[in-house]
Amino acid sequence: DAKTTQPTSMDCAEGRAANLPCNHSTISGNEYVYWYRQIHSQGPQYIIHGLKNNETNEMASLIITEDRKSSTLILPHATLRDTAVYYCSHQGGSEKLVFGKGMKLTVNP
Amino acid sequence: EAGVAQSPRYKIIEKRQSVAFWCNPISGHATLYWYQQILGQGPKLLIQFQNNGVVDDSQLPKDRFSAERLKGVDSTLKIQPAKLEDSAVYLCASSRIKGTSGLSYNEQFFGPGTRLTVL
Repeated sequence: DAKTTQPTSMDCAEGRAANLPCNHSTISGNEYVYWYRQIHSQGPQYIIHGLKNNETNEMASLIITEDRKSSTLILPHATLRDTAVYYCSHQGGSEKLVFGKGMKLTVNP
Repeated sequence: EAGVAQSPRYKIIEKRQSVAFWCNPISGHATLYWYQQILGQGPKLLIQFQNNGVVDDSQLPKDRFSAERLKGVDSTLKIQPAKLEDSAVYLCASSRIKGTSGLSYNEQFFGPGTRLTVL
């Protein structure tokens, strides 16, 4: 019962920006958008979250549309180590985080 | 700070046997989660603890799965008896909810997982 829609996969050239889209049309007003990624054979890793303003941290930037029904995760200078499955989700408070199948990003040299 | 610890990292058992997984969350994290991740899918929440109380176990197959978090710190997840379809990676995560009531968020920290193979 994933609440988000992401492309199955995406390729990106090393050093270029990777823009990862996500649709979350059922998001409610008090729910945050979350992005996680999972590198092969590891547990998921938190990347960033946001409510309605754009956010940036040392890993990535998050752009949320004004209606909050979609967002884009931006990796400004993708490296080979960014190859992973990326998950977006939305959650409020103590509600459970629901992961879909995610999107496989492959960064090519 | 130390991350979420899980053991064992790998386990192979035959169907109908029992198995237990252990998780030690990040110190100070009141919330602990167990997820099941089947190959090719995203993690699915099995159970969520807040301190030593269960918050959500709606997707835990209670006829064969059980979990406990004594003293609100470490947790164990048990499967008895195991079925072939239980082959998966079992992930433990912990978090500390931040923000004010009505607009709170939490960042989950995951352990490396235990890969279970049921033959």
